[in-house]
Amino acid sequence: DTGVSQNPRHKITKRGQNVTFRCDPISEHNRLYWYRQTLGQGPEFLTYFQNEAQLEKSRLLSDRFSAERPKGSFSTLEIQRTEQGDSAMYLCASSSPDRANYGYTFGSGTRLTVV
Amino acid sequence: GNSVTQMEGPVTLSEEAFLTINCTYTATGYPSLFWYVQYPGEGLQLLLKATKADDKGSNKGFEATYRKETTSFHLEKGSVQVSDSAVYFCALSDRGGTSYGKLTFGQGTILTVHP
Repeated sequence: DTGVSQNPRHKITKRGQNVTFRCDPISEHNRLYWYRQTLGQGPEFLTYFQNEAQLEKSRLLSDRFSAERPKGSFSTLEIQRTEQGDSAMYLCASSSPDRANYGYTFGSGTRLTVV
Repeated sequence: GNSVTQMEGPVTLSEEAFLTINCTYTATGYPSLFWYVQYPGEGLQLLLKATKADDKGSNKGFEATYRKETTSFHLEKGSVQVSDSAVYFCALSDRGGTSYGKLTFGQGTILTVHP
């Protein structure tokens, strides 16, 4: 069990650029979640997948955000035309369905800074 | 909707002092409750959990009891150590419908323990 892996750890980008983050969940976990955490706040839910199906999206996820999990394994989160307000820590987590209600495993996150 | 409210921080204590961090919640269903901890520069780690009323979660000397009548899940530790300095998040997971497993977090409480 290597845990949930997120890449890159840090990303600095200029406003208006596109960025993509990757999450590799624990291999036997078929549920994958994305959260966003801004400074001084708790994480906020963005979206989740069961296998390759995206089952729920938060209203926080504007049209500039898109997430995929093409083969039910790793996932990517893309932000197009980044804005300064997108600066945050993006967290990924995974679980198996029968354990989702018992807490799940988070990755270390990708910190995005938009300048 | 669901929400979690944590006591205002930050909290500063001397080593071996008693710790309480208050957490109250509102939920549309019957949630599971969690405390997560975030050490400096690291991701979120599950500290403890409780899945039904009157359950007590415990780990590393920390405890919290699921109080349905007061909708609370206060975190306590009898004797804190410098290594407990971190940000603590209370969270709930709604067990119903398509949101199964989605976490709602409080805003976090910064704990600093001095020698």
